[in-house]
Amino acid sequence: DIQMTQSPSSLSASVGDRVTITCRASQSISNYLNWYQQKSGKAPNLLIYAASSLQSGVPSRFSGSGSGTDFTLTITNLQPEDFATYFCQQSYDVAVTFGGGTKVEIK
Amino acid sequence: QVQLVQSGTEVKKPGASVKVSCEATGYTFTSSHIHWLRQAPGQGLEWMGIINPSGVSTSYAQKFQGRVTMTRDTSTSTVYMELSSLRSEDTAVYYCARPRVGDTRDFENWGQGTLVTVSS
Repeated sequence: DIQMTQSPSSLSASVGDRVTITCRASQSISNYLNWYQQKSGKAPNLLIYAASSLQSGVPSRFSGSGSGTDFTLTITNLQPEDFATYFCQQSYDVAVTFGGGTKVEIK
Repeated sequence: QVQLVQSGTEVKKPGASVKVSCEATGYTFTSSHIHWLRQAPGQGLEWMGIINPSGVSTSYAQKFQGRVTMTRDTSTSTVYMELSSLRSEDTAVYYCARPRVGDTRDFENWGQGTLVTVSS
């Protein structure tokens, strides 16, 4: 299986901050990388697909970049509703795998 | 709009089986694969397998081979995931999910989740 490593595992930030989360794949996955937001007790919500494409309805303060093995999710102008856990997911292999998650907390 | 509605909370004893349902509405049932994933308490997400509702094809994660069975009922637009020989490590929230488009594996629609607790 392709291993996905996310960092950091948690971070504290303030409203209005710029936040960057990284995800590294154990092998090249081209741009088959997706990002999700998950709030407590809820199912994940797709934010970014194909590394950099914004899912319909997702605010433009979310953006993704990268290809191959290294990827980044950036949230600019962090809003109160953005405090949540974020997961990366590779969809290169039929057996998709996820990163361990990054919890974004209020500073 | 697309909705995936799952069955309710289950409590099972070790060694038992559980069958979770996922009813799909708002799209043509046979036009999209459905994936099953799970999330243990406080943990990340784990893919279990995929079913193609238009036929009988399935593919399961190696970890669950021999213990998981995914089926579908086209008359009710429902897919099922049955997991047998349950152990405490199977305690998790189980999700069905639908890809954004075609046979991609980015998940746009999710069920609300079904908590399965395995305890003696």
